[in-house]
Amino acid sequence: DQQVKQNSPSLSVQEGRISILNCDYTNSMFDYFLWYKKYPAEGPTFLISISSIKDKNEDGRFTVFLNKSAKHLSLHIVPSQPGDSAVYFCAARAGGFKTIFGAGTRLFVKA
Amino acid sequence: DAGVIQSPRHEVTEMGQEVTLRCKPISGHDYLFWYRQTMMRGLELLIYFNNNVPIDDSGMPEDRFSAKMPNASFSTLKIQPSEPRDSAVYFCASSSTGTGGPYEQYFGPGTRLTVT
Repeated sequence: DQQVKQNSPSLSVQEGRISILNCDYTNSMFDYFLWYKKYPAEGPTFLISISSIKDKNEDGRFTVFLNKSAKHLSLHIVPSQPGDSAVYFCAARAGGFKTIFGAGTRLFVKA
Repeated sequence: DAGVIQSPRHEVTEMGQEVTLRCKPISGHDYLFWYRQTMMRGLELLIYFNNNVPIDDSGMPEDRFSAKMPNASFSTLKIQPSEPRDSAVYFCASSSTGTGGPYEQYFGPGTRLTVT
């Protein structure tokens, strides 16, 4: 029962272009969504979040969009840089602190 | 701050042996989480604590797994007896309700467990 789905295992993008990572969820009770980035041999690190009462949150090159009716969110990285190459996890909470993570999408940014 | 500290970083053991993974959360954080990452299942929440008390252990796969948090600065995840299918990377994370906001989690570097 995957409540948070990242259907693309990997994504390859040219440096300077936009990277779009997608995430779908099934639980309408989720009230907070977060994106984490993970480099090899390290733990995930928090990147950006969005509350369910908003539809967009922006932080520098990173923007997260939330479409509640479609139960879909996306992370946009503009412009993409080689250092952005990592695994990106979408995560969601339904009140409290229990966090459900997606399987992750590996992003390759080519120089 | 040193961040979340996990030990050991790598553990290789034989099937049937007891394995203990250790975690020191960030000082002042009141939530602690244990996760397991595998290729098949991604990042799974095993158990989490609030103020040293277990809140939700529904992700613990079976009775062979147990976790304790005897004080605010230390937690253990024990597997006894270990099996090859327990091979994975185990992450500890901590979080604080004191700062408001998204209550993001801070992860340790993980322990890579290999059971042969």
